[in-house]
Amino acid sequence: DAKTTQPPSMDCAEGRAANLPCNHSTISGNEYVYWYRQIHSQGPQYIIHGLKNNETNEMASLIITEDRKSSTLILPHATLRDTAVYYCIVKEYGNKLVFGAGTILRVKS
Amino acid sequence: NAGVMQNPRHLVRRRGQEARLRCSPMKGHSHVYWYRQLPEEGLKFMVYLQKENIIDESGMPKERFSAEFPKEGPSILRIQQVVRGDSAAYFCASSPLERGFNSPLHFGNGTRLTVT
Repeated sequence: DAKTTQPPSMDCAEGRAANLPCNHSTISGNEYVYWYRQIHSQGPQYIIHGLKNNETNEMASLIITEDRKSSTLILPHATLRDTAVYYCIVKEYGNKLVFGAGTILRVKS
Repeated sequence: NAGVMQNPRHLVRRRGQEARLRCSPMKGHSHVYWYRQLPEEGLKFMVYLQKENIIDESGMPKERFSAEFPKEGPSILRIQQVVRGDSAAYFCASSPLERGFNSPLHFGNGTRLTVT
């Protein structure tokens, strides 16, 4: 599975959009982009995933560039409860999830 | 629909004892994954099981660790003769994972093992 690169940490003001970038320049055609987050001491929480089209659900939006080499997770109105480690994972469907270091998002009031 | 259930939430064992961690997948899910998270470290894959089969155990330590997912009942991660270095959070995830069916893994809230 392709590797991903994420910034180690980001800050966001409460109520503003949080835009979390992810680079995956070696992604192949069968690989999906998945986003999970882990709030302190809890299990990872699935957020969203996509192949090549932009996706939106009740939690977030996923924007994937046309060449699929990078993506952005958007939390439209961040709250303090969105403070967590966010993981961008690229994998072929059916393979296991391999977690990297992720991005620590701190939402501040 | 209940989520992935793991028990116990906290488990304390003395060095040399056995630890048994249980995971009940979401209803309708027949695939289970186990991950370990050492203190201040990332999540590491351990093993992937289907009912009665181990599919991928590339992340399992070669000794003392075993996992099963019987036809009936929860998946069990068993650690024999625990050592202090086994102290960690152990997370289970499940999925239906049918080929061509696009579904993510869903995780439980983990079992925190402390070895004294």
